Amino acid sequence: AQSVTQLDSHVSVSEGTPVLLRCNYSSSYSPSLFWYVQHPNKGLQLLLKYTSAATLVKGINGFEAEFKKSETSFHLTKPSAHMSDAAEYFCVRPNLDRGSTLGRLYFGRGTQLTVWP
Amino acid sequence: GAVVSQHPSRVICKSGTSVKIECRSLDFQATTMFWYRQFPKKSLMLMATSNEGSKATYEQGVEKDKFLINHASLTLSTLTVTSAHPEDSSFYICSASAQRGYTGELFFGEGSRLTVL
Repeated sequence: AQSVTQLDSHVSVSEGTPVLLRCNYSSSYSPSLFWYVQHPNKGLQLLLKYTSAATLVKGINGFEAEFKKSETSFHLTKPSAHMSDAAEYFCVRPNLDRGSTLGRLYFGRGTQLTVWP
Repeated sequence: GAVVSQHPSRVICKSGTSVKIECRSLDFQATTMFWYRQFPKKSLMLMATSNEGSKATYEQGVEKDKFLINHASLTLSTLTVTSAHPEDSSFYICSASAQRGYTGELFFGEGSRLTVL
């Protein structure tokens, strides 16, 4: 089955230290991939997206992710965590299979990022 | 970027009443919108796909008579929770895609927190 797997349900870091949120995908081809962030009681905001252009994708708020086909990974990183980064992060893959409904998504289970002062 | 507005953001109702949640695409036309339900500390669960001018497509296990979806125009979809019960309390999120230049990315509303007493 084609899906995304977020390896960590919780990640805790100290403010100012690097952030790594892991995501692996399973697909028979190079998919589009997204990272979304959700703050408490809010909708989802797109952080960045990979659509088969550059493998290193830069997003908002200093986040970036690297698409590695050899590792089937799309890990999200940030050099220096800020308190405002504390939120839930979702790795997402659209279902672009032939015949599928445009807009269906595969969601990872989410990773809760805690940032300690 | 594209904006999706959801209203109300919070609603509290008595058991047995019906509640309507609106989802609007503010600066683009959305022939398809999606309704999700999110339980605490969980990922998003797709409930149904809302198609403009036709019946919604419900996911397995979602009661279509309980969760009525109407997509009356290219910018508005509504979700009505009928005869709400406490177990319907949840965070409901809608999303839409801008069809032009579609790359799989969805734009999400801010979510609606429903509490049924």
